[in-house]
Amino acid sequence: DIQLTQSPSSLSAFVGDRVTITCRASQGIASGLAWFQQKPGKAPNLLIYAASTLQSGVPSRFSGSSSGTEFTLTISSLQPEDSATYYCQQRNSYPITFGQGTRLEIK
Amino acid sequence: EVQLVESGGGLVQPGGSLRLSCAASGFTVSDHYMDWVRQAPGKGLEWVGRFRGNPDSYTTEYAASVKGRFIISSDASKNSLYLQMNNLKTEDTAVYYCATRVVTDFEYWGQGTLVTVSS
Repeated sequence: DIQLTQSPSSLSAFVGDRVTITCRASQGIASGLAWFQQKPGKAPNLLIYAASTLQSGVPSRFSGSSSGTEFTLTISSLQPEDSATYYCQQRNSYPITFGQGTRLEIK
Repeated sequence: EVQLVESGGGLVQPGGSLRLSCAASGFTVSDHYMDWVRQAPGKGLEWVGRFRGNPDSYTTEYAASVKGRFIISSDASKNSLYLQMNNLKTEDTAVYYCATRVVTDFEYWGQGTLVTVSS
């Protein structure tokens, strides 16, 4: 199985800050990575797929990039509504796996 | 508009069975890929399994943790996806979500249904 390791596990930042979350895959997954945002009591919401493609309707302050087996989610200017847990997911091979999550708090 | 509504969750004893439903609207289940994902209380997301609709011959994939105990199926007449869960264990306690793709996988999600396995 492909393991995904997210870092950090949690972070706290100010409104307006640039925030970066990293996801490292245990083996190559090409561009088969997605990012999700989940707020308490809600279903996950797809933000990015194919490593860097912004899902329709998602604000442009969210972006994704990759280098080898390291993937990055960047929020260019943090907003209050971005407080949530973020998960990466690989869909390159079965079983589909998720990272352990990164909890983002607004200071 | 794509909508997914899960139902069928509840309290069941260890070793028991439960069938979850995912009613779809806005698309045809039998023509799409659909997934089940679960989330134990306070924990992260875990993929459970996938249904591949036409033209991929209605095949399925499962996570190792549920293979041999869970079965994914569909009913075209009800435009629904099902998750039959047998020999349930306490570690199967979770909110179960169904999800589907239009452009990409996991694009649309239901609201989830809670399954509690406890004596």
